[in-house]
Amino acid sequence: GQQVMQIPQYQHVQEGEDFTTYCNSSTTLSNIQWYKQRPGGHPVFLIQLVKSGEVKKQKRLTFQFGEAKKNSSLHITATQTTDVGTYFCAGEYGNKLVFGAGTILRVKS
Amino acid sequence: KAGVTQTPRYLIKTRGQQVTLSCSPISGHRSVSWYQQTPGQGLQFLFEYFSETQRNKGNFPGRFSGRQFSNSRSEMNVSTLELGDSALYLCASSLYRGRGTGELFFGEGSRLTVL
Repeated sequence: GQQVMQIPQYQHVQEGEDFTTYCNSSTTLSNIQWYKQRPGGHPVFLIQLVKSGEVKKQKRLTFQFGEAKKNSSLHITATQTTDVGTYFCAGEYGNKLVFGAGTILRVKS
Repeated sequence: KAGVTQTPRYLIKTRGQQVTLSCSPISGHRSVSWYQQTPGQGLQFLFEYFSETQRNKGNFPGRFSGRQFSNSRSEMNVSTLELGDSALYLCASSLYRGRGTGELFFGEGSRLTVL
């Protein structure tokens, strides 16, 4: 079945450093969504990317969708302690949404 | 407006028992999906319901079943519980518009522990 590979599994950064997580699919995606789950919480939708090569920004967060619609990235500039949590990508294949394993972000202050 | 409500929030069962989890979606949302979350496996898709019909199904054994009622509320059932079924079960609703899944709104989850 379809799989979305997400790396790294875990990242521990110093506050103020940048952070990036990557997702890859072996087949073309209809779109990709990103979610954030705070420790002890539930996933919360961040954004959806639909178009090839799309780039969207939300304050310090930058989301990209690859030209071939097979990969995506989330980049956080100058991390803050409020950024801690697990970031999931979710690729859509037809009507099925497949989540990556997530990247756990820890921020040292 | 009220978010996705899942009950119960926590429960403990023993092997061999069965469990039923409930999910009330956001008002107006007709699509409900269920996910199993474990530390090592991330979010695994169980099934999705729309207008009382199962639209998609993940790769889980037949012990896992679900249904959706006419008011869009959904239940999932796990029979003959195994230790490996211990997990956080998340329900998500979406405003399905006929194409794609759309943004998912997750509930707080039901944490199941099987002893």
